[in-house]
Amino acid sequence: QQQVKQSPQSLIVQKGGISIINCAYENTAFDYFPWYQQFPGKGPALLIAIRPDVSEKKEGRFTISFNKSAKQFSLHIMDSQPGDSATYFCAAKSGSARQLTFGSGTQLTVLP
Amino acid sequence: ETGVTQSPTHLIKTRGQQVTLRCSSQSGHNTVSWYQQALGQGPQFIFQYYREEENGRGNFPPRFSGLQFPNYSSELNVNALELDDSALYLCASSLVPTGNTEAFFGQGTRLTVV
Repeated sequence: QQQVKQSPQSLIVQKGGISIINCAYENTAFDYFPWYQQFPGKGPALLIAIRPDVSEKKEGRFTISFNKSAKQFSLHIMDSQPGDSATYFCAAKSGSARQLTFGSGTQLTVLP
Repeated sequence: ETGVTQSPTHLIKTRGQQVTLRCSSQSGHNTVSWYQQALGQGPQFIFQYYREEENGRGNFPPRFSGLQFPNYSSELNVNALELDDSALYLCASSLVPTGNTEAFFGQGTRLTVV
């Protein structure tokens, strides 16, 4: 029940295209859903996060869509750039928990 | 940069040995969490330290232990190293131990057990 399932495992997109990464969860106590970006040799860095009281959050080219009834959320990267090439992790957390529960990651490659 | 620093960046140890990894938390953060990230996987929670006490543990055996110091820096100790302990070890600091507060990650320590 603590799992967060992420897909796809890898994604190749042309420059200027839209990258979409999906996550699903089971634990209805989760109430915080961040997305992290990780470059090789670096730790994860917070990109954007959402709480379940809103269905969408946008920050620049990055948008989270959240579907509470389906227990799914997704990251959309608009106008994808080669510099966006990295591994992206979705995560989830409940307010009382100490830890983030991470998905398995999506390796995004944006072709020039 | 997050202000969370980890040392060393890379480490090679032999099976059965012991290792200590170090983390300096971001200024003002009194909570440090440790995660293990195996190759190609998402980080897995090891444990959290808050005000120098272990404040929660994931599904890791007792040979994984830690410390937190009065300046909120932290150590992760692993005894009797196994080959499967080879991973990137991440430290994350946050303002509070629970709630929907942002966690800031260090760059990690890459541990290889041979």
